[in-house]
Amino acid sequence: DTAVSQTPKYLVTQMGNDKSIKCEQNLGHDTMYWYKQDSKKFLKIMFSYNNKELIINETVPNRFSPKSPDKAHLNLHINSLELGDSAVYFCASSQRTSGRAGGELFFGEGSRLTVL
Amino acid sequence: DAKTTQPPSMDCAEGRAANLPCNHSTISGNEYVYWYRQIHSQGPQYIIHGLKNNETNEMASLIITEDRKSSTLILPHATLRDTAVYYCIVRSPYNQGGKLIFGQGTELSVKP
Repeated sequence: DTAVSQTPKYLVTQMGNDKSIKCEQNLGHDTMYWYKQDSKKFLKIMFSYNNKELIINETVPNRFSPKSPDKAHLNLHINSLELGDSAVYFCASSQRTSGRAGGELFFGEGSRLTVL
Repeated sequence: DAKTTQPPSMDCAEGRAANLPCNHSTISGNEYVYWYRQIHSQGPQYIIHGLKNNETNEMASLIITEDRKSSTLILPHATLRDTAVYYCIVRSPYNQGGKLIFGQGTELSVKP
């Protein structure tokens, strides 16, 4: 059983399109995240939801809109895609109250988005 | 912004111990040191974390200096499958944000 699963794994699309990436975790965790890894391999946090409530919202263009229908799902919708959005997007989950440190993050395998 | 400094790359012979250093001179008293690794094309994987004391688990050992300004991750018997980018991260407690902010990491190459 995959703990954190993302779909699709690969996504190729044209500039200006709207696309979504879905994430599901079966670990029973209460917190989920989206990270972006660009071509230089930097991993940057974008968003975090705890019990469906947005708790981290980094400086991300408002073309990116996360949606958490329930604790086990966190989807990422991107409007008006631009070339610079090309990256690997990782979803992660953790149990926030798992110790004072906040619990380790479990990452999905990533979704590689290519904007042409 | 990342609060850690790591060497960009290191080599290690298979079967030997890999010692990966990390400087975090501005760490606060309640911040934790976390280590993750990312094997090519995969999602980052948790390795270990600690606050003040040295820690050991089935994957690795974490040695934190007494002043907490630096730490070393030790893989006791490196294998070829340990080739990866290793990230040292300083993390605030979850009730103060708890964000994992990744730096550049150390690219470890384990060679036969």
